[in-house]
Amino acid sequence: DTAVSQTPKYLVTQMGNDKSIKCEQNLGHDTMYWYKQDSKKFLKIMFSYNNKELIINETVPNRFSPKSPDKAHLNLHINSLELGDSAVYFCASSPGEGWAYEQYFGPGTRLTVT
Amino acid sequence: AQSVSQHNHHVILSEAASLELGCNYSYGGTVNLFWYVQYPGQHLQLLLKYFSGDPLVKGIKGFEAEFIKSKFSFNLRKPSVQWSDTAEYFCAVNAPSGGSYIPTFGRGTSLIVHP
Repeated sequence: DTAVSQTPKYLVTQMGNDKSIKCEQNLGHDTMYWYKQDSKKFLKIMFSYNNKELIINETVPNRFSPKSPDKAHLNLHINSLELGDSAVYFCASSPGEGWAYEQYFGPGTRLTVT
Repeated sequence: AQSVSQHNHHVILSEAASLELGCNYSYGGTVNLFWYVQYPGQHLQLLLKYFSGDPLVKGIKGFEAEFIKSKFSFNLRKPSVQWSDTAEYFCAVNAPSGGSYIPTFGRGTSLIVHP
């Protein structure tokens, strides 16, 4: 009965490859997010979707493309992977868009680019 | 853009010691404030939150935080820590930005509690 799930948990790939990370939430939330956590544990928001509509795009390179087929899913596709993309990527959801809501996080996907 | 500062990056305590983790934010308007915890090998989860009202909020596992508007601070406290409190602690702010609300996290504080 995992609330927010991500696959895969670990991803090791070479520079230049294209990869995807999938996220699903079964909480019935309207809003979903992608965060990047770097090696110093700094957690920075990348994207946010509300009911399948993009509402936050925090100056992320065009190589990163989120896709939300429905409000329970938010996938992240990364083209032409670079060494600097190595990080832990967290998916999260919240009941709605706006400042009143806390986030429910997934377990994270550790991406290593070699 | 707003920012969140957590001044203690690494804290090491013995069991039963008192804990206070600092958090300051930069946004001058009304904000909502959160503390999240990430136990080893687990996902981030909410510890407590402040929206309005009593500036002293209580969370899970005996944690509390005090919102001091004049100091732009939201410090986390626990009177007596346990070994099981070993984790990463993140302060976060939800504040308006360009018509939306951007969640902004601090860099986190790593807490190690020795038994």
